[in-house]
Amino acid sequence: EAQVTQNPRYLITVTGKKLTVTCSQNMNHEYMSWYRQDPGLGLRQIYYSMNVEVTDKGDVPEGYKVSRKEKRNFPLILESPSPNQTSLYFCASRLGGSETQYFGPGTRLLVL
Amino acid sequence: RKEVEQDPGPFNVPEGATVAFNCTYSNSASQSFFWYRQDCRKEPKLLMSVYSSGNEDGRFTAQLNRASQYISLLIRDSKLSDSATYLCVVRTPGGGYQKVTFGIGTKLQVIP
Repeated sequence: EAQVTQNPRYLITVTGKKLTVTCSQNMNHEYMSWYRQDPGLGLRQIYYSMNVEVTDKGDVPEGYKVSRKEKRNFPLILESPSPNQTSLYFCASRLGGSETQYFGPGTRLLVL
Repeated sequence: RKEVEQDPGPFNVPEGATVAFNCTYSNSASQSFFWYRQDCRKEPKLLMSVYSSGNEDGRFTAQLNRASQYISLLIRDSKLSDSATYLCVVRTPGGGYQKVTFGIGTKLQVIP
């Protein structure tokens, strides 16, 4: 089944404790992105990647890192999480030239 | 001015009603337009692309007005299952990558 998977789905952590949210797609898509969704603000892009080893900042990259060492994986790293990073996070992927983005199921993060 | 603006609603409509949502965008260079559907904080899913000539998919019709920089979504004969948040999405080229911007979404509640 073609899909985007994210782990963990739910995470409660404390300020300053490094965490990684994994994202994997099995559709051989070139483009991958991370978004966060907050009430009243909609989905905002954090980082995106156009292919392996090619990443760039989105609209709200502060406090986040990403890497794209393999085509299928695009982990999101929070080196020192803070409460303002409490949010719902979505990973998405898209085939180059395609209009459709496929989203993962989301990761709910609470930073205390 | 926000890049993509939507009325957050909620729009409460009876079953069988026709409902229309609008979305305005600020960048005249934007090239691609979409409506996504999101159920109760689950992942967004593509509902339909929006073309200059307009397009229809069953009870759903999408229109694009480039001169006034807005897109619309019309839902006829509303079903209970149409209750969801509808996200307007705009892609704008720039720097070798197409920036994707989401509206905050319009919430639709179809009432029995």
